[in-house]
Amino acid sequence: GAVVSQHPSRVICKSGTSVKIECRSLDFQATTMFWYRQFPKKSLMLMATSNEGSKATYEQGVEKDKFLINHASLTLSTLTVTSAHPEDSSFYICSASKWVAGGYEQYFGPGTRLTVT
Amino acid sequence: EDKVVQSPLSLVVHEGDTVTLNCSYEVTNFRSLLWYKQEKKAPTFLFMLTSSGIEKKSGRLSSILDKKELSSILNITATQTGDSAIYLCAVDDLNQGGKLIFGQGTELSVKP
Repeated sequence: GAVVSQHPSRVICKSGTSVKIECRSLDFQATTMFWYRQFPKKSLMLMATSNEGSKATYEQGVEKDKFLINHASLTLSTLTVTSAHPEDSSFYICSASKWVAGGYEQYFGPGTRLTVT
Repeated sequence: EDKVVQSPLSLVVHEGDTVTLNCSYEVTNFRSLLWYKQEKKAPTFLFMLTSSGIEKKSGRLSSILDKKELSSILNITATQTGDSAIYLCAVDDLNQGGKLIFGQGTELSVKP
């Protein structure tokens, strides 16, 4: 297997502030990382694909100026939720891809629960 | 359009039962199929399958891919209450730059 960490695991912030979430691959290098959000009882919704050293690719309907992604190294990607509002409250999960003969195994971080008050 | 469909959507069994979860897919350029288990937090990786007919096994869980039928099954034998979770199937399409296409998930509940 492989280990992906996320920090913080839980954050509460006030409306209008920004929050940064870090995603790290601990025991492998990940050229590509992904950011998802998940609402209660719903499936994962891909927000963006983050490639090391280049701009992130956002899914349709995801505001790139609101959800800033930086992938500065092969083991670290960050998601910054800018000017957060209560509707941004959600479970944010990152994942990192590891090449294993024949395909990419994608490992998820433990997630960050964001609550905007 | 790429699509992954899981069945059943939910399932309730008793401890000791054996369950089979299904996943079928339609993708342009298949590379691999992955199974995950999601409890209260983020999904945990179970298996990645790339070749037809080769069973992958981990304890009481096993999975196999059938590329002819565009499907995979996940078997859990001698189920335990700790197996209660949502099981997600996802497909990696070569044309999608590594993005996974997820099914809706199967919610498994194992009663004592």
